[in-house]
Amino acid sequence: SQQGEEDPQALSIQEGENATMNCSYKTSINNLQWYRQNSGRGLVHLILIRSNEREKHSGRLRVTLDTSKKSSSLLITASRAADTASYFCATSLYQGAQKLVFGQGTRLTINP
Amino acid sequence: GAVVSQHPSRVICKSGTSVKIECRSLDFQATTMFWYRQFPKQSLMLMATSNEGSKATYEQGVEKDKFLINHASLTLSTLTVTSAHPEDSSFYICSARDFRNTEAFFGQGTRLTVV
Repeated sequence: SQQGEEDPQALSIQEGENATMNCSYKTSINNLQWYRQNSGRGLVHLILIRSNEREKHSGRLRVTLDTSKKSSSLLITASRAADTASYFCATSLYQGAQKLVFGQGTRLTINP
Repeated sequence: GAVVSQHPSRVICKSGTSVKIECRSLDFQATTMFWYRQFPKQSLMLMATSNEGSKATYEQGVEKDKFLINHASLTLSTLTVTSAHPEDSSFYICSARDFRNTEAFFGQGTRLTVV
């Protein structure tokens, strides 16, 4: 079953604005990762945050993790048209081969 | 980052035939590979996990006899869709991890169309 749920399912903003996407999960995790997918393409890894971390930055990306609420957020600042894509959170569980379980994704559209 | 190559990127096959999709880790040893399926505008659904040299572990509801997975070496895993039907048409994506089990690297995906 899907571990993560993302919110919103779709987001459309103007170029230059900030975009915030949220992800909730159900069970204890080892880490949480955010991925980007352009239409019909593979996934690009954006950022990984471990369960003992609360915030992480990478360029225009800022990820937070609240393990007490079992939620994470991805903030993209100063958005660009090229940021248009689907964004997925994925959780790595404390078991077995540490498989990744993906959320439903947020389709982000940046309008020029 | 590490590179995972998936081939072919697109394939069209006739109903009833079998299709093989390859997933290669080019610059690292992939102790574990994962196969996902993605329907249009939906998320990735994990199909199976394979460890080099052992049988794949399939997720609930995935037919192991229909989706044959082989992980014969540390750099190659294959997914064979046997006796394909139109409902098998989908986007299939592999990912690979090394022994440190941190970041997973994804292939570019294979668009399978069964006619």
